Amino acid sequence: EAGVTQFPSHSVIEKGQTVTLRCDPISGHDNLYWYRRVMGKEIKFLLHFVKESKQDESGMPNNRFLAERTGGTYSTLKVQPAELEDSGVYFCASSQAGVRGPNSYEQYFGPGTRLTVT
Amino acid sequence: AQSVTQPDIHITVSEGASLELRCNYSYGATPYLFWYVQSPGQGLQLLLKYFSGDTLVQGIKGFEAEFKRSQSSFNLRKPSVHWSDAAEYFCAVGAVPGNKLVFGAGTILRVKS
Repeated sequence: EAGVTQFPSHSVIEKGQTVTLRCDPISGHDNLYWYRRVMGKEIKFLLHFVKESKQDESGMPNNRFLAERTGGTYSTLKVQPAELEDSGVYFCASSQAGVRGPNSYEQYFGPGTRLTVT
Repeated sequence: AQSVTQPDIHITVSEGASLELRCNYSYGATPYLFWYVQSPGQGLQLLLKYFSGDTLVQGIKGFEAEFKRSQSSFNLRKPSVHWSDAAEYFCAVGAVPGNKLVFGAGTILRVKS
């Protein structure tokens, strides 16, 4: 079974440019999450999709960030325009919905995208 | 709101020595608790989780953690550390199954031979 994949693994852009990060969850996982770790601080929640709907977007820092999950499969996170403080590692995770048993509620994480804004 | 404190930013232990990584959480109700590990270049891997029941939880790679409600703690332990355990460890808490996780700042473990 393929894990959560993220693309690109690294991105270096200039301030003011646009970047789009992509996440492919584990097949069949309805829940998809975005998290971010900035400057070695704690990993912080950005938003949560259930299928194609935004369940919780309370962690999105501002309207420069736009997340989509068309068709309830992969998701994209666009930052436009990027600012210096957006640098960090963006993690995506997915989990199954409505599953009972030992693997319920487990969020599987991707390797992250390291974004550097110069 | 939930919060997690990992008081140790860095810990160094000798290979073969025992390990305990501390985690304290703040949450009014029964929390869902997790420990994740991130090795260089890898994503976060779940070591173990606590939802209910036995307060001593066994995980992968020989790790265990004990939930202590009275101390609001969920410390991670391993009796004998291997060099491959060098990584960053994150404690996390969830309020509702399937919803967001709140992470601590992480503890970087260095293993010396």
